[in-house]
Amino acid sequence: DAGVTQTPRHEVAEKGQTIILKCEPVSGHNDLFWYRQTKIQGLELLSYFRSKSLMEDGGAFKDRFKAEMLNSSFSTLKIQPTEPKDSAVYLCASSRDGNNQAPLFGEGTRLSVL
Amino acid sequence: GDSVTQTEGQVTVSESKSLIINCTYSATSIGYPNLFWYVRYPGEGLQLLLKVITAGQKGSSRGFEATYNKEATSFHLQKASVQESDSAVYYCALSVNYNQGKLIFGQGTKLSIKP
Repeated sequence: DAGVTQTPRHEVAEKGQTIILKCEPVSGHNDLFWYRQTKIQGLELLSYFRSKSLMEDGGAFKDRFKAEMLNSSFSTLKIQPTEPKDSAVYLCASSRDGNNQAPLFGEGTRLSVL
Repeated sequence: GDSVTQTEGQVTVSESKSLIINCTYSATSIGYPNLFWYVRYPGEGLQLLLKVITAGQKGSSRGFEATYNKEATSFHLQKASVQESDSAVYYCALSVNYNQGKLIFGQGTKLSIKP
């Protein structure tokens, strides 16, 4: 089975730009998660979808971060406008049933905002 | 709130020696969270090493073990004899609301193996 695929692997943006990160979950997985990893804060949950419905959108990240899942095989994370403090690794993960199965993680997108 | 603490940011162990990486947790929103160890090998993505969902049980994988100790609120990772291939960053995590994807992670412990 293919794993979780994230594109691009690296992204460089100027402050104020809009960037869109993409994620393809494992086929047949119903739960999808977006995480952010920074040196200071570590790994933090940004958003959580179940069967394409947004279940959680990570309070502190609401204003400039928007995750969407238009179909069961594709999700995007939009950051608008970007700020230097958004520089981080963004991880996507999916599982067939989050209540009984630990998620598989993608390799992440490293975002640098100048 | 819920949290996970890994006290060591970096650990160096000689090859074939034993290892323990400490993890303690606080779970105020849920009595018995599920507990996990994830690992990131150099150049690879984050992957599940082991998990334990029942207090008092032990999980094991690839020679690593961790026991869910609810009295001590600990979930330390141990290995009897490390190899160079174990060099990686190890993350302890707990899940809330019985959803294993909604994870709270510790800060991670980087393990380096001395040949």
